[in-house]
Amino acid sequence: AQSVTQPDIHITVSEGASLELRCNYSYGATPYLFWYVQSPGQGLQLLLKYFSGDTLVQGIKGFEAEFKRSQSSFNLRKPSVHWSDAAEYFCAVGALSNDYKLSFGAGTTVTVRA
Amino acid sequence: NAGVMQNPRHLVRRRGQEARLRCSPMKGHSHVYWYRQLPEEGLKFMVYLQKENIIDESGMPKERFSAEFPKEGPSILRIQQVVRGDSAAYFCASSPRGRVEETQYFGPGTRLLVL
Repeated sequence: AQSVTQPDIHITVSEGASLELRCNYSYGATPYLFWYVQSPGQGLQLLLKYFSGDTLVQGIKGFEAEFKRSQSSFNLRKPSVHWSDAAEYFCAVGALSNDYKLSFGAGTTVTVRA
Repeated sequence: NAGVMQNPRHLVRRRGQEARLRCSPMKGHSHVYWYRQLPEEGLKFMVYLQKENIIDESGMPKERFSAEFPKEGPSILRIQQVVRGDSAAYFCASSPRGRVEETQYFGPGTRLLVL
């Protein structure tokens, strides 16, 4: 079965600084990878997803993620954060074998300071 | 084009009562998924339904929990005789065909508090 680890529970970053959120997955074949963002009291919104092809994926809100098979990672990045990026971020993995079931990491809470 | 709707947004129940959580998928979506988010944890898959069928309920507790998605109306997640450990956020998601490459669109969740 697939699983996801997000090593950082909480990250604080200054507005305008760069942000990188780590995600490591465990799965025997090529995974389907997703990043979702959850603002307080809200549902999850998809930022980006990776299935195949170019390992650098562009998403919404200026986010990008890079799939590195050798490191089993799918880290999320943003060059310059805005105060509105304060939220909780979830990495998720899906597998072709059970193609509807997403496994989520525990999430990383991002705080943006002025 | 309305997104996934869930109601109520907040639900308070006393131990032993029943909780009913509703989910209306996006228009055109016939696949519904329920996830539970316990405090300080990520979302955990509970159940996957298509219209009138439960496809996979492997993530749902065997007792007290049930789900349905009737031909007409919303999907319902029902928790009988709630206990404090059921306190969590319950999210519903939907997709058009149930394929992993499709985006699962999530609703705002129902936050259940059991007193």
